[in-house]
Amino acid sequence: ETGVTQSPTHLIKTRGQQVTLRCSSQSGHNTVSWYQQALGQGPQFIFQYYREEENGRGNFPPRFSGLQFPNYSSELNVNALELDDSALYLCASSFRLHNRVRTDTQYFGPGTRLTVL
Amino acid sequence: DAKTTQPNSMESNEEEPVHLPCNHSTISGTDYIHWYRQLPSQGPEYVIHGLTSNVNNRMASLAIAEDRKSSTLILHRATLRDAAVYYCILRVSGGSQGNLIFGKGTKLSVKP
Repeated sequence: ETGVTQSPTHLIKTRGQQVTLRCSSQSGHNTVSWYQQALGQGPQFIFQYYREEENGRGNFPPRFSGLQFPNYSSELNVNALELDDSALYLCASSFRLHNRVRTDTQYFGPGTRLTVL
Repeated sequence: DAKTTQPNSMESNEEEPVHLPCNHSTISGTDYIHWYRQLPSQGPEYVIHGLTSNVNNRMASLAIAEDRKSSTLILHRATLRDAAVYYCILRVSGGSQGNLIFGKGTKLSVKP
């Protein structure tokens, strides 16, 4: 059983550019969540996808968008990058049984470190 | 969103028990208490969760107060590998749609 993987591990972009981060969920998982973690802070929820549909969003602007594919892999896209977007981006997958969202365990990948110059 | 309060940091000696406290005075009857930890340079990992009763697993124990307004994560014998940031999280019903709301957590240092 492979765990959650993310690519790339590190990325450097300049202000105004666009970036796509990728996540491969753990086998059998149908839910993926994305989090942003600034240095010294806890992760902040960006959005979640359940069975290919967005299923909850945190306090992030529309330039943060995502996709979940039929094989449950996922992408996070960020347009018009700003300096404050520099952070560790974490993907987490889980298996959700219908509405039992309060007990599912989320399995995190190692993250993508994004630096915006 | 339901909030938790944890000490910023704690220290422990290797092979001694560690008790990590968490206050969640606004918890409602259907909120689950989850603990995750984040080792240096890694993503968070699940530790344990519970609702009302104390819980044990291979990693740790979770002691939940009778009024559920606080809980304690117990590591029975700390090892150097347990040095991490520990997050106490409430999983609420309704609009959160299952996302984890992280605070700043408790940074645990383990001395050899």
